[in-house]
Amino acid sequence: KAGVTQTPRYLIKTRGQQVTLSCSPISGHRSVSWYQQTPGQGLQFLFEYFSETQRNKGNFPGRFSGRQFSNSRSEMNVSTLELGDSALYLCASSFGGFLTQAGELFFGEGSRLTVL
Amino acid sequence: GENVEQHPSTLSVQEGDSAVIKCTYSDSASNYFPWYKQELGKRPQLIIDIRSNVGEKKDQRIAVTLNKTAKHFSLHITETQPEDSAVYFCAASRDTGTASKLTFGTGTRLQVTL
Repeated sequence: KAGVTQTPRYLIKTRGQQVTLSCSPISGHRSVSWYQQTPGQGLQFLFEYFSETQRNKGNFPGRFSGRQFSNSRSEMNVSTLELGDSALYLCASSFGGFLTQAGELFFGEGSRLTVL
Repeated sequence: GENVEQHPSTLSVQEGDSAVIKCTYSDSASNYFPWYKQELGKRPQLIIDIRSNVGEKKDQRIAVTLNKTAKHFSLHITETQPEDSAVYFCAASRDTGTASKLTFGTGTRLQVTL
């Protein structure tokens, strides 16, 4: 079956602009998580959505937001971009049903954002 | 919140040798500990995981051990091969059954030399 798909794969923005990234999870997966990957910080959790509801949120400023649609596709938005937002943004999907044990996250290839 | 520390940040071993990567976590309620491997330019992929009711788990050349008392867990790779060269991330989460949030370590770059 098809894996996790993220678009766009690469993008360049300037400070102050905003960006929207998209993630299509594996069919049947209802949980979508977003992570920011930078060389010094590793993977940092942004937020997780399940059935269109944000279930968990990391320690990022309010400029970072997301949403999930009824088909489980998710988008994340970063407003008022700063140089430090340059990173690889990874989306991961999992089955994520209630009262199921935590399990494998399936990552997409990521969207590499460069802020100039 | 949870904090995961991972050591070493880089590790170079000769082919055939063993490699060990260690992680410590801060939240005693964490109960799920996966390890992800990320090859250069690729996505992270789960290689092994362990839950807090188990002390050790093996899968061919890979094993993970967990010491809940000391709050640390380790990845062991035996008979290393060049294809084991990658960045390895440990992670921890408190599995509440309703949310999925992994706290990752900062990664270990493993280089297997011939």
